[in-house]
Amino acid sequence: DADVTQTPRNRITKTGKRIMLECSQTKGHDRMYWYRQDPGLGLRLIYYSFDVKDINKGEISDGYSVSRQAQAKFSLSLESAIPNQTALYFCATSDPSRASTDTQYFGPGTRLTVL
Amino acid sequence: AQSVTQLGSHVSVSEGALVLLRCNYSSSVPPYLFWYVQYPNQGLQLLLKYTSAATLVKGINGFEAEFKKSETSFHLTKPSAHMSDAAEYFCAVSAANQAGTALIFGKGTTLSVSS
Repeated sequence: DADVTQTPRNRITKTGKRIMLECSQTKGHDRMYWYRQDPGLGLRLIYYSFDVKDINKGEISDGYSVSRQAQAKFSLSLESAIPNQTALYFCATSDPSRASTDTQYFGPGTRLTVL
Repeated sequence: AQSVTQLGSHVSVSEGALVLLRCNYSSSVPPYLFWYVQYPNQGLQLLLKYTSAATLVKGINGFEAEFKKSETSFHLTKPSAHMSDAAEYFCAVSAANQAGTALIFGKGTTLSVSS
C-alpha cells in the first residue's frame, strides 16, 4: 500500500463549487504539505502543518483553506472554485526526527479541473 | 530567503549520451539541496539530496550531483541516458539551520531521451 494517498485522483467541478481534496499517510510523519503544480511553474506551496495544532500559510494560500483532522490526515478545501485553480495538487509529508533535512515524500497527486 | 533556478525547461539527449541538468541556488544560509523526479502521471520521487556532508552525492538510477558552493550550483548528471530516464526533474532547496522550513522548488526541466 502507498504511504501517502490522495483522494480523489481526478476531479472536474464547476466554478463556484466547494471542493475538498484529501490526503492520508501511514508514514507516521508529523509534517504535511499541500502544493500545486502548474506547467512551467514547478511546485508552489499552498499550506503546511507541523502537527495537528499547527497550520501555516504558504506562498499561494489565497482561495484555499486546510484542515488537519489527525496526524495522518490533511485536507485542502477550495471554498468557491475558480478556473485558475485548475492544476495538479500534491500532498507531501516529512519526518520531524530528521526535520533539518526536509526530505519530503509525495502522494500521487489530484488533477483538478474547474470549468 | 532561498530560491532555485533551473536552466533549461527542456533537455533532449540520445540514449547513451551524458545527461546534464542544471540547477543554481540562492541562499543566505547553508542550504540543503534536493533533486526530485516525476515520471508521467506520478508523484515526485527523491533522486538524491545534499545535506552538508560529501559534496558529490550519488542517488538512485545512476544519477549524481555535485554541490559547488563557489558557483552556487547543484547540477544533476548521469553518464549514460536510458529511455526510462525520460521524466520531469525538479531541483529544490531548504535552509539547513532552520528547522521546519518548507522546500522551495525550481520550475522543472523535462528530459527527453531518443533512441
